[in-house]
Amino acid sequence: EAQVTQNPRYLITVTGKKLTVTCSQNMNHEYMSWYRQDPGLGLRQIYYSMNVEVTDKGDVPEGYKVSRKEKRNFPLILESPSPNQTSLYFCASSGRSGRGAYEQYFGPGTRLTVT
Amino acid sequence: QKEVEQDPGPLSVPEGAIVSLNCTYSNSAFQYFMWYRQYSRKGPELLMYTYSSGNKEDGRFTAQVDKSSKYISLFIRDSQPSDSATYLCAMSGANSGYALNFGKGTSLLVTP
Repeated sequence: EAQVTQNPRYLITVTGKKLTVTCSQNMNHEYMSWYRQDPGLGLRQIYYSMNVEVTDKGDVPEGYKVSRKEKRNFPLILESPSPNQTSLYFCASSGRSGRGAYEQYFGPGTRLTVT
Repeated sequence: QKEVEQDPGPLSVPEGAIVSLNCTYSNSAFQYFMWYRQYSRKGPELLMYTYSSGNKEDGRFTAQVDKSSKYISLFIRDSQPSDSATYLCAMSGANSGYALNFGKGTSLLVTP
């Protein structure tokens, strides 16, 4: 089954404790992206990757890191989480890049709470 | 001003009604217009996609784009309780690197 998987689905952590949210897709997609979704603010892009070893900032990259060492994986790293990073996070991938990256397949989401 | 504006609702309609969902935008360079549907506790899924102006129909769903007014719509005919979800409009264009710009989403409830 073609899908985007994220782990963990739910995470409660404390301020400053480094964490990684994993994202994996089995569709051989070049384009991958991370979003956060907050009430009243909608979906906002954190980082995206056009291909292996190619990453770039989205609208809200502060406090986050990413890496793309393999085509299928795109982990999101929070080196020192803070309460304002409490949010619902989605990973997405697309078989198209650039102007064609409109059809994005989203993972099930990771609900992160930072206390 | 946000680039994409969308009324969050909630919108409640009886089963069988015609639903109209709308977004306005300010960036005239947007060329790709999408509607995503998001069920509770799930990730968004692409519902409809339109390039530039015009209409596109897919079953009970019709997407319309009016670039002169910077206004897009999604119509749902014969709405069903299974259509209850949040509908997100999204747009992209060359001058934003084709990144998706999402509206905040409209929550729709179709009651039996």
